[in-house]
Order: sequence, then C-alpha cells, then structure tokens
Amino acid sequence: GNSVTQMEGPVTLSEEAFLTINCTYTATGYPSLFWYVQYPGEGLQLLLKATKADDKGSNKGFEATYRKETTSFHLEKGSVQVSDSAVYFCALSDLQTSYDKVIFGPGTSLSVIP
Amino acid sequence: DAEITQSPRHKITETGRQVTLACHQTWNHNNMFWYRQDLGHGLRLIHYSYGVQDTNKGEVSDGYSVSRSNTEDLPLTLESAASSQTSVYFCASSEGLAGAHINSYEQYFGPGTRLTVT
Repeated sequence: GNSVTQMEGPVTLSEEAFLTINCTYTATGYPSLFWYVQYPGEGLQLLLKATKADDKGSNKGFEATYRKETTSFHLEKGSVQVSDSAVYFCALSDLQTSYDKVIFGPGTSLSVIP
Repeated sequence: DAEITQSPRHKITETGRQVTLACHQTWNHNNMFWYRQDLGHGLRLIHYSYGVQDTNKGEVSDGYSVSRSNTEDLPLTLESAASSQTSVYFCASSEGLAGAHINSYEQYFGPGTRLTVT
C-alpha cells in the first residue's frame, strides 16, 4: 500500500542554519506530494505541494522537489527562523488507489533557537 | 472567509460516557475527515465522508462513529469513552474529485479538540 517515511527528529537548529527534512514515499500510482506544517496549538496547514515528477513546490522560503527516480520529496530551507519552529508532515495523495485520502508521515519536530 | 471549526476545544470526560465532538465547515466541501494525533503515531484516520449520507471507516475506527446529514457537519461520537481515546482530534475537509480542478484534494484542518478520558 501507499506509505510515507520521514525523519522523525526532533531536529534542533540555530537561527539562519540550513534545513533539510528527508521524506520518501511508496505509491502504486502517480501521487501528488505535500508538506504540511503544524504550529504549536494549531491544526495542520498546507505548506507546499507538487503534483508530478520534477515539479518543485515552494512557499515561505521552503522548497521541495518531486523526485520520482528516488521516490523522495525532501523539504529544504536555506535560512531558518525561530518562527519556523513547528512539526512538519510529509504526505501523499494517490487518486488511483486511495481516492481523495491523504497519507501522512509521522511528522518531524523542528526547534529553531536564537 | 470560509473556515472549519471544532468544538469544544478542550473536553474532559469519564470512562464509559458518550462524547460527541463537533466539526463544521463553511467551505462547501464534499469530503470530511476525522483524525487523531498521538505522540509516536502521527495522524491516524478515524472516519471519513465523501458526501451527505456517506461514511467510511478509517484505520482506527473502533469505538467511534460519524454521521453526515448535511454538507457542513461531521460530528464524531465516542460511544463509550475509554482512556485509550485520550488524544487530540482533528477534523479536515477537502473539495474532492467533484471539484473542478486538480487541487481539489488539498485538506483544510480545524484547530483540534483535546480530549481527556479519566
């Protein structure tokens, strides 16, 4: 079945450091890929997405590229801020096999210290 | 602005009691979902609905039920609360494939309900 694997952390970085959170997926069809972010005390919100191979999603300085050959969708940011402290979820939606459902990874907790 | 709300935000109840968590969305979305979030388990799907009168079981549906009588609401009922159901519950909605564009399956989340069963 479909699944998402990501580094679980917690990840602690100093402000302005480079961030990478690894995400790999397993899917039988042609999924769309997402990164969701959950700030403390809030629900999840969509951060970025990519709907086909080689697409790059970007938002708020975060980027992720859909790599079909390595089944990966790693999240990167060049210079993190304290306000980026949150839990990040990699996710996929495969309309061919899991109609309208989103499969979430376990989440990666990020703490950015000044 | 369209939104998705949950109530109550916090609830403490006793083992064996019936509890209902409300979810209301004004996006006019076809799809609605209930998840629970627990440390070490991430998000787990409890129940979901693709439209009025439609409900489906997710991966952790035992002890929970839902009903969809209109587009806006998907209440989640714990028939007889157990301590193992202490968790944070999130409701989400998406437009669904009936929507006009490929992004119709993006999910929008409510703020969550923290439930404690004592």
